[in-house]
Amino acid sequence: QVQLVQSGAEVRKPGASVTVSCKAFGYTLTNYYIHWVRQAPGQGLEWMGILNPGGSTTSYAQKFQGRVTMTRGTDTVFMELSSLKSEDTAVYFCARDLIGGSTGWSPGEYWGQGTLVTVSS
Amino acid sequence: QSALTQPASVSGSPGQSITISCTGTSSDVGSYNLVSWYQQHPGKAPKLMIYDDIKRPSGISNRFSGSKSGNTASLTISGLQAEDESDYYCCSFAGSRTWVFGGGTMLTVL
Repeated sequence: QVQLVQSGAEVRKPGASVTVSCKAFGYTLTNYYIHWVRQAPGQGLEWMGILNPGGSTTSYAQKFQGRVTMTRGTDTVFMELSSLKSEDTAVYFCARDLIGGSTGWSPGEYWGQGTLVTVSS
Repeated sequence: QSALTQPASVSGSPGQSITISCTGTSSDVGSYNLVSWYQQHPGKAPKLMIYDDIKRPSGISNRFSGSKSGNTASLTISGLQAEDESDYYCCSFAGSRTWVFGGGTMLTVL
């Protein structure tokens, strides 16, 4: 069955970078766009960007432009966030887009389990 | 891209109906039939409840329904059950291949 499995928790110092991975099982990675969404402690969901694993095209929320990079491997997508600040402490989720073959529809039914990134000196 | 506006909290008794609103602008909610709703229990990933403003994914109870008027989308839960107590988020396509979430609403079943 379809599953997205993310990498484990990370701790970084301010100014550093972090890469979170999201491995796809049960479907062909290139057939569906992948969204990245984060959630700071006690806060709401925040859309970060979207990756087309089939063509490696990306679109990022304005807030993260210049600091985020989304890429893909064989069955895995990656989200790198640089110049980390304490405010980047959050759980980061990957989510498969709802419609295969589209150019992005909405975060769909399949989400990773989340990866906690803690930024602390 | 400003977050969509949702009430911070709503509540209802078992068996009642509640509605959660999600207000955006003519650049997002009002321009596309692409509002989705998610339920999130503490420590869990969000779960898709409604997409394309009004559609339910397979397996989602018909007690959950979506609607939209102008720049405001709504999620209605009828026949409220204890298990519905959760956080709910709306999300809308905002053009130029970007999306925006609402601030979230905590539903309490009294």
